[in-house]
Amino acid sequence: GEDVEQSLFLSVREGDSSVINCTYTDSSSTYLYWYKQEPGAGLQLLTYIFSNMDMKQDQRLTVLLNKKDKHLSLRIADTQTGDSAIYFCAESRSGTYKYIFGTGTRLKVLA
Amino acid sequence: DSGVTQTPKHLITATGQRVTLRCSPRSGDLSVYWYQQSLDQGLQFLIQYYNGEERAKGNILERFSAQQFPDLHSELNLSSLELGDSALYFCASSVGASGTSGGFEQFFGPGTRLTVL
Repeated sequence: GEDVEQSLFLSVREGDSSVINCTYTDSSSTYLYWYKQEPGAGLQLLTYIFSNMDMKQDQRLTVLLNKKDKHLSLRIADTQTGDSAIYFCAESRSGTYKYIFGTGTRLKVLA
Repeated sequence: DSGVTQTPKHLITATGQRVTLRCSPRSGDLSVYWYQQSLDQGLQFLIQYYNGEERAKGNILERFSAQQFPDLHSELNLSSLELGDSALYFCASSVGASGTSGGFEQFFGPGTRLTVL
């Protein structure tokens, strides 16, 4: 199938780390992305990882990719209230023009 | 501001009607994507155009159609509207089209909220 799956909700305390998980089905995926959607707005790309990488770090964001398990995670260090949003993982696949988005994880940061 | 514009911002119409949503991509972007976001279906890919040509089709109903014009703006036409078509419709653009050469960052517009009564 084409499903990209994520847990629906995550709640963390301000200052803690958040880990948002995603599983995908197609091993031929070339790029994997994390997008953020704030209330009433469109999606904004946070970071991406090429499929031949295991990890990518960008300031407070760390992306981990486990190709064997087809598992992608996004870690947000020192989570702030401004990080409250819906986070989508997405994949683009070699040989197609389609992007497949996950169901989105709603992150709530408690002060 | 992503540089992608969508009009109108809100649209309220009745069942059976037809509407047109408009999208202008970022300057220089050749690809336009359309997505539908509803509460129970998440973000669904509808269709993609690259430089005026259809490149990929997702879960787009036969009642829906789209096109990309020579100036690269795109329109999504929704006809015979049903209550279940109420959703946020997003347009996104990218400089290229993902494929054998890999992926490109998509820049999303603010969306059009369609309410069908």
